[in-house]
Amino acid sequence: DVKVTQSSRYLVKRTGEKVFLECVQDMDHENMFWYRQDPGLGLRLIYFSYDVKMKEKGDIPEGYSVSREKKERFSLILESASTNQTSMYLCASSVSRGAKETQYFGPGTRLLVL
Amino acid sequence: DQQVKQNSPSLSVQEGRISILNCDYTNSMFDYFLWYKKYPAEGPTFLISISSIKDKNEDGRFTVFLNKSAKHLSLHIVPSQPGDSAVYFCAARDITSGTYKYIFGTGTRLKVLA
Repeated sequence: DVKVTQSSRYLVKRTGEKVFLECVQDMDHENMFWYRQDPGLGLRLIYFSYDVKMKEKGDIPEGYSVSREKKERFSLILESASTNQTSMYLCASSVSRGAKETQYFGPGTRLLVL
Repeated sequence: DQQVKQNSPSLSVQEGRISILNCDYTNSMFDYFLWYKKYPAEGPTFLISISSIKDKNEDGRFTVFLNKSAKHLSLHIVPSQPGDSAVYFCAARDITSGTYKYIFGTGTRLKVLA
């Protein structure tokens, strides 16, 4: 079974703090993604990566950065947390299999920025 | 601008009856569609998918229908069971940028009544 783990289930941070969210997958997947989920807005893509050291901006990258130094690990960084970054953060990984590709999600990190 | 829309935020269905969840999209370049199911405090889990070259895919109680001319897909669950109560997200794969990116709808909360 594919396993995607996220470093924390719940986090409380203060405005202006630097926040690191870690995601690890154990299936040697090439592709990794960070989303945030907000009520009424669904899942929105922040950043994704198709290989080590590669990153692509998603739909809402502002205020975030990412790091992928190893294939199994994809980190999301909030350089200076703000209250509007309070959200549920979901990491996903996938492997491309021709026309079919399925994303596997971690359990999520609920971040509260005060 | 929402490219993938789930216009019904919630749906209630009696146990044993059919649940129909709908999803509309605007981009004719989407080539692959997926449905995910999400329980509270968990990440989404993959349910079923369909390629844009097909109009139907079935897996047990779950069937996805794709109507490309109407840019509409639907998920049918027959028969519905109380364990199906969850939030359902449809997602579409966008290949226009040269890299694969997934666009999610806002979700429909399904409640199956015993």
